[in-house]
Amino acid sequence: GAGVSQSPSNKVTEKGKDVELRCDPISGHTALYWYRQSLGQGLEFLIYFQGNSAPDKSGLPSDRFSAERTGGSVSTLTIQRTQQEDSAVYLCASSAGTHYEQYFGPGTRLTVT
Amino acid sequence: QKEVEQNSGPLSVPEGAIASLNCTYSDRGSQSFFWYRQYSGKSPELIMFIYSNGDKEDGRFTAQLNKASQYVSLLIRDSQPSDSATYLCAAPTRGGSEKLVFGKGTKLTVNP
Repeated sequence: GAGVSQSPSNKVTEKGKDVELRCDPISGHTALYWYRQSLGQGLEFLIYFQGNSAPDKSGLPSDRFSAERTGGSVSTLTIQRTQQEDSAVYLCASSAGTHYEQYFGPGTRLTVT
Repeated sequence: QKEVEQNSGPLSVPEGAIASLNCTYSDRGSQSFFWYRQYSGKSPELIMFIYSNGDKEDGRFTAQLNKASQYVSLLIRDSQPSDSATYLCAAPTRGGSEKLVFGKGTKLTVNP
């Protein structure tokens, strides 16, 4: 079946502009996660959605970052007033919630110039 | 102590050898553990998960879990150059939520 999809695959933006990154989870998966991975670094947790529960936003690095998940499916991560330190690969993952294993999308490479 | 710790490596083994990757975790309540493989420039790919003490084998991969010692390992038998990647260990966060904590990964190089 279809895996997690993300768009765009690459995004180049100017400092100060807003960007939106999209994630389509695996159909039927109730949990959705956003991570950030800077070059050569580990995964940095950003935000977690589970069903209709309030999202866990504990990993968002600043109030410039926000995310929403509409209809329990597609999610959008928005970064306002982008900074050069926001340059990274943004990864989305989803989970069926049974044994917690997460499946990752291909990521969006964000470059802020 | 960080929740999930891995030796960052790099680990280098010759082709055909056994590669051993180790991970320790701090939460004694953790019940499930995951190994992901990440090729350079790609996203992490789930390769193994284990819930019970002991060994779990899948092809050339064996995951080993020792809850008393709070470590989980991944053995790769008959290592191939295509196994060269970064291997990430993950465990649920405290409180048993579905959120995983990832180690920083061990970079493995298999030399032909």
